Amino acid sequence: QSVLTQPPSASGTPGQRVTISCSGSSSNIGSYTVNWYQQLPGTAPKLLIYSNNQWPSGVPDRFSGSKSGTSASLAISGLQSEDEADYYCAVWDDSSLVFGGGTKLTVL
Amino acid sequence: EIQLVESGGGLVQPGGSLRLSCAASGFSISSYSMNWVRQAPGKGLEWVSYISRRSTTIYYADSVKGRFTISRDNAKNSLYLQMNSLTAEDTAVYYCASAPPGNGGKIDYWGQGTLVTVSS
Repeated sequence: QSVLTQPPSASGTPGQRVTISCSGSSSNIGSYTVNWYQQLPGTAPKLLIYSNNQWPSGVPDRFSGSKSGTSASLAISGLQSEDEADYYCAVWDDSSLVFGGGTKLTVL
Repeated sequence: EIQLVESGGGLVQPGGSLRLSCAASGFSISSYSMNWVRQAPGKGLEWVSYISRRSTTIYYADSVKGRFTISRDNAKNSLYLQMNSLTAEDTAVYYCASAPPGNGGKIDYWGQGTLVTVSS
């Protein structure tokens, strides 16, 4: 049972916009920045969004992050088949790295 | 090319020990804090341990505290994880991961992972 709550699954059709939520508390999301990771099948995770809404080099702006209070969201616009993956939110709270349980995104 | 390459995984009996290594290339880990993150088969990501750039600050997840020891050798550009008193619940792929100072949640680089299987 993760401290950060994500829906176990999400789905969308190509071209659609989908959002994945991450719910926490005042001791994690409410006090620290949120990061998002994408894990394609059989591969290591990859940083997708950091500090709530910043893009690492090479990540397309189809991916965007936001945070409000004790919740955060990852939005993917113009959904593509290669976006089918597991997505994790994560918060560093100065002494531990807390991950959400992960959301499996299916592109229909 | 920036790479983190883990090694040392394998099959170990319950109660046994294993030492994981992570060799970095293409960048100097001395500029980064380092972490171990694991993923049990079919499960999500679980943070294991953190070590600051100069090893002055170390943190562990409660699930491994007292059994695992993280260390680093900046001169060898390497990270280590000594794992003792292993149980079946420690079975997972273990990833070496780096984060810039001041943003521990921003893991820029990940290794490919090494599988640890604890079974009799």
